[in-house]
Formats: sequence, structure tokens, C-alpha cells
Amino acid sequence: KAGVTQTPRYLIKTRGQQVTLSCSPISGHRSVSWYQQTPGQGLQFLFEYFSETQRNKGNFPGRFSGRQFSNSRSEMNVSTLELGDSALYLCASSRGDQETQYFGPGTRLLVL
Amino acid sequence: ILNVEQSPQSLHVQEGDSTNFTCSFPSSNFYALHWYRWETAKSPEALFVMTLNGDEKKKGRISATLNTKEGYSYLYIKGSQPEDSATYLCALNTGNQFYFGTGTSLTVIP
Repeated sequence: KAGVTQTPRYLIKTRGQQVTLSCSPISGHRSVSWYQQTPGQGLQFLFEYFSETQRNKGNFPGRFSGRQFSNSRSEMNVSTLELGDSALYLCASSRGDQETQYFGPGTRLLVL
Repeated sequence: ILNVEQSPQSLHVQEGDSTNFTCSFPSSNFYALHWYRWETAKSPEALFVMTLNGDEKKKGRISATLNTKEGYSYLYIKGSQPEDSATYLCALNTGNQFYFGTGTSLTVIP
């Protein structure tokens, strides 16, 4: 069974640009959650999608948005990038209802 | 914002030593407690999902216990090996979202 995949793995952007990250969950998993990790911080929850609907949202500004498609693949978008958005972005999938989450390898974003 | 705390922040042990670390969480928001192991350059790997007070789970040399009334979980590693070197994360599942601790970084010295 293929694991969670994320693309791209690395990304360099400049301030003010926008970026879209992609996550393909494990087959059969309907829940996809996104997390941000910055140096010295734990994983910070961004949002969770289940069956194409945003079910939960963390404390991030509106510049961070996401969506989920009918095949459960999810995208995360960050607009008007700031230097502080430089981080590792992880997505995790699960069957749903807060079961064990399986993480992808992450996308490392650097904003210059 | 809920606070999930892990201690110690980092730990160095000799190969063969047993070790343990703590995850503390607000018990009023408990739905489940998850432990993950995160090796450098890899994805976090699920170790345990614990839901019941008094739960004890075991996977090889690693085991975990849970006290939901007082809001803590312990992770134990028996006879540490160099391949156990990783960051161990706990996450409180409130039923709405996950709140992660900052992890305990374990280094096992051969």
C-alpha cells in the first residue's frame, strides 16, 4: 500500500508570492490534515479536510487555505508569503474520525 | 490553545540503558493520546494510540502507559539501541484536532 505523498519536496519562494502544496493520502483514507513545523516549535495544526469539507481549522491567518478533491487529494495554498512562513509543511491522512494519522515526507518551504 | 508538554526536551543514554519520558496534557480535553517516532529525514511514524485510562501498550522494546485522570502518559524504551535515536512526539487528540508536544530528542550512544 503506497504511503502519503507530498509534492514538491522542496520549494524556494520570495516574499509576496503564493504557493500551492499537494498531498495525496493513503488509498481509502478520507481525512487529510495539514501541519506546519518551524524551528523550536511543535507541529502546529493548520486544518483538516474530510470528504471535501474543511472540518477543523487551527489558528492561522486567512492567507493559509486549503481544499480537498473528490479523490481525497488535498492542496494547501499560502498567499502573500512572509519570511516567517518558511517551514516544513506536513500532511497526514487517516481513515477518519481521528484515527491514527500517517504522515507524508513533508514539503520544505523557504521564503526569501 | 491547549498545551501539551513533553519532558525532557532531550536525552542522551548509553546503548543498553532503559529510559522513559513524559507527555502531559489537559485531561479535560482528552479523546485519545498518540505517540509518534520521528527520525531525521523521515516522516513521523505512529507508535501507539491510547484511549483508556490505565491503558498500557507495547511494541517490541517500547511501551507506553496512560493516566487520563491526571493527564499524563509515559513512554518507556527498554535496552536502548542506537537505532532508537529519534524524536518522540506525543499528540493529544481532542476529537476535533491534534495538539502536538515539541518532542523528546533521544540519542543513544553506542
